[in-house]
Amino acid sequence: GDKVKQSPSALSLQEGTNSALRCNFSIAATTVQWFLQNPRGSLINLFYLVPGTKENGRLKSAFDSKESYSTLHIRDAQLEDSGTYFCAAEGRANTNKVVFGTGTRLQVLP
Amino acid sequence: EAAVTQSPRNKVAVTGGKVTLSCNQTNNHNNMYWYRQDTGHGLRLIHYSYGAGSTEKGDIPDGYKASRPSQENFSLILELATPSQTSVYFCASGDWDYAEQFFGPGTRLTVL
Repeated sequence: GDKVKQSPSALSLQEGTNSALRCNFSIAATTVQWFLQNPRGSLINLFYLVPGTKENGRLKSAFDSKESYSTLHIRDAQLEDSGTYFCAAEGRANTNKVVFGTGTRLQVLP
Repeated sequence: EAAVTQSPRNKVAVTGGKVTLSCNQTNNHNNMYWYRQDTGHGLRLIHYSYGAGSTEKGDIPDGYKASRPSQENFSLILELATPSQTSVYFCASGDWDYAEQFFGPGTRLTVL
């Protein structure tokens, strides 16, 4: 089965609203990374996390290794937040390899 | 300024032909990675490297070879390209002791 499951698979938001994306892991993840793939296809680094939380502007991410999940919260969504969000988890083998989820496609509507 | 670059950005190849995708990074990172991205699969790891001269098989290495001649350069080689290898290929680099990765802009490969 999928080692990294993302939910929801797709989401539409009105501009100015809030949302949360989630990754569940069936591997013993030690670190998590979140990316935004913009409509041009570029992968933009958002967060790199050990267990704990990080915040950057309107984005906040949390990683709970014991419960095997990570979340990405988007506050006051803007049109430029549209794209596909990926999480990627590193397993406990610590080989610096990661496993990607299949993404959450986000559309922010005016 | 771009730290990870890929060439070519677009490539059309014929079945059975040889294709080489190139990646260059100026991050001075030890680790480099090649992924492919297909609809419904996210990114999947093909080959990776821990430094010049080293290559390791990822999760889907069949039909691909890799070459890491220097710290900066990492190539992905398709000796006999097949239509199933039509995809978008991403290269990434990462520091030696961290899983955090930084991606290039991608190469769109079409095999006819």
